[in-house]
Amino acid sequence: SAVISQKPSRDICQRGTSLTIQCQVDSQVTMMFWYRQQPGQSLTLIATANQGSEATYESGFVIDKFPISRPNLTFSTLTVSNMSPEDSSIYLCSARDRDSSTDTQYFGPGTRLTVL
Amino acid sequence: AQKVTQAQTEISVVEKEDVTLDCVYETRDTTYYLFWYKQPPSGELVFLIRRNSFDEQNEISGRYSWNFQKSTSSFNFTITASQVVDSAVYFCALSGHNQGGKLIFGQGTELSVKP
Repeated sequence: SAVISQKPSRDICQRGTSLTIQCQVDSQVTMMFWYRQQPGQSLTLIATANQGSEATYESGFVIDKFPISRPNLTFSTLTVSNMSPEDSSIYLCSARDRDSSTDTQYFGPGTRLTVL
Repeated sequence: AQKVTQAQTEISVVEKEDVTLDCVYETRDTTYYLFWYKQPPSGELVFLIRRNSFDEQNEISGRYSWNFQKSTSSFNFTITASQVVDSAVYFCALSGHNQGGKLIFGQGTELSVKP
């Protein structure tokens, strides 16, 4: 199984600023995803991070607010731009096994973001 | 449309009791995958099991067991002889074969096991 790390693990930010979250996988993976978990809620997919091309965003999420990079098969970043208190959430990165027959997604430990 | 429903928001049991967490799903895909994840208070999401739509065999792993029934679109999770360390939020999730790996999560069931 893939081991995923995220940095930072948590942060407290001021309204109007931006934060970039890093996600590192210990092996090459076909797909990486970014999810948001608002307080007391379930997980919602923000976007699929595509290697070598633009990310694919879900309805309600836009590139200007959540720019994503994926420069190679083991790394991705998510930026939360122009933050407001409503962006306070846990942001989780996940990776899908390179062997797509297993189709299992593993998750990073998450980044707890608080916006004041 | 795809949807996962976990009707039980919170469950509280006493240690050593058995507990079943319900999961009902909706999908138009003929091939799909069902998952259970555990989220302890620390926040990380721990993978528990993946089941293919064409494999209806039930599975047992230690104190954990899963009952997959396509006829009722359910994928229930039972913990036998629960322990305090089982206290967590448990998520059921669905991924359609043609959905690009995207996971659709249920709302989660918060399980509290009291000593």
